[in-house]
Amino acid sequence: EPEVTQTPSHQVTQMGQEVILRCVPISNHLYFYWYRQILGQKVEFLVSFYNNEISEKSEIFDDQFSVERPDGSNFTLKIRSTKLEDSAMYFCASRMELTGGSPLHFGNGTRLTVT
Amino acid sequence: GENVEQHPSTLSVQEGDSAVIKCTYSDSASNYFPWYKQELGKRPQLIIDIRSNVGEKKDQRIAVTLNKTAKHFSLHITETQPEDSAVYFCAASRGSARQLTFGSGTQLTVLP
Repeated sequence: EPEVTQTPSHQVTQMGQEVILRCVPISNHLYFYWYRQILGQKVEFLVSFYNNEISEKSEIFDDQFSVERPDGSNFTLKIRSTKLEDSAMYFCASRMELTGGSPLHFGNGTRLTVT
Repeated sequence: GENVEQHPSTLSVQEGDSAVIKCTYSDSASNYFPWYKQELGKRPQLIIDIRSNVGEKKDQRIAVTLNKTAKHFSLHITETQPEDSAVYFCAASRGSARQLTFGSGTQLTVLP
């Protein structure tokens, strides 16, 4: 079964540094997402991406965040200047279609630790 | 925006018993309700979903019911097994929206 893959699995960075989290969505999927989960809390929506542009973003997704699909397979999340409170598990997800409730498939996540 | 409330936050059952987790949602336009199982340190995995044109859906030991009028939906796990122990999240989305709103999760522990 095809899977969403994410790299790295764990990223440690110092406060103020830039990080790029990488994702390869399932190949025939059209909609891409980033979610985050602070330890012990619920999964929170960050941003959705379709047709090479952001479709929706949450209030969490402020100016220090950006997303990009640099080629036909990768989907990246960049945090420009990390803060301690950015420490969380970041999940990439993708789905094939929007209408009809096509299932959302999550990657295994990148655990970001900001020190 | 959508708000999803989930109860209980923790649930312990004896192996073989049933477990029920309940969620309510606020946006009457929501029409897709998936349930995810998340084991410690792993990704959420879809276990069952239901759309608003259906009242109940079953897959082996797992069933989900939806009451659109009351805006609540429930997950039922029968004949629980220790491997069912995990955190379960409900979620809701609108067909025209592009995000899932998750509940706060239920830590299910199945005692052998």
